[in-house]
Amino acid sequence: EAGVVQSPRYKIIEKKQPVAFWCNPISGHNTLYWYLQNLGQGPELLIRYENEEAVDDSQLPKDRFSAERLKGVDSTLKIQPAELGDSAVYLCASSSNSGNTIYFGEGSWLTVV
Amino acid sequence: DQQVKQNSPSLSVQEGRISILNCDYTNSMFDYFLWYKKYPAEGPTFLISISSIKDKNEDGRFTVFLNKSAKHLSLHIVPSQPGDSAVYFCAAGGTSYGKLTFGQGTILTVHP
Repeated sequence: EAGVVQSPRYKIIEKKQPVAFWCNPISGHNTLYWYLQNLGQGPELLIRYENEEAVDDSQLPKDRFSAERLKGVDSTLKIQPAELGDSAVYLCASSSNSGNTIYFGEGSWLTVV
Repeated sequence: DQQVKQNSPSLSVQEGRISILNCDYTNSMFDYFLWYKKYPAEGPTFLISISSIKDKNEDGRFTVFLNKSAKHLSLHIVPSQPGDSAVYFCAAGGTSYGKLTFGQGTILTVHP
């Protein structure tokens, strides 16, 4: 069974440019998460989806970040415009039920220069 | 407000000995606890979990202990192997909480 798939794995952009990350969760998983991981820190939740509904986006900086999960499967996370402080790993994860074991993708590593 | 804390940034252990990684939490609503392992340039991988109705869960060389009164959990790895060298994250959540909250991680190094 395929795991959580993310792309791109690595992205280098100049500040003020836009960037988008894509995620395909494990088949059958209704809950999808985007986590942010800064160097030396644990993952921090940005947004959680139950099917296509964003049920927790309290930590998403809505002035520059947006996310969507239109058909309740794949999801995209967008940053526009990117800032130097956005350099981090963006992790997508999925689970069969909220609050239980989640399974991560390999992450999308963003460097803003 | 850090609800899940791993106070040891790093741990160094000799191959064959026991590794003990610790984690403290503050939110009494957490009822499900997990450990993840992360190698460089990879995403975190689920290792082992425990629900609040248990105080111990074992899977091969890995055992997680939960002390609810102290709001403390630990991961024991016996015997430790060089391939166990990685960053270990504890996480807490539960069906009533809806998400997992992670600690900062502990870097485990197992020396041959």
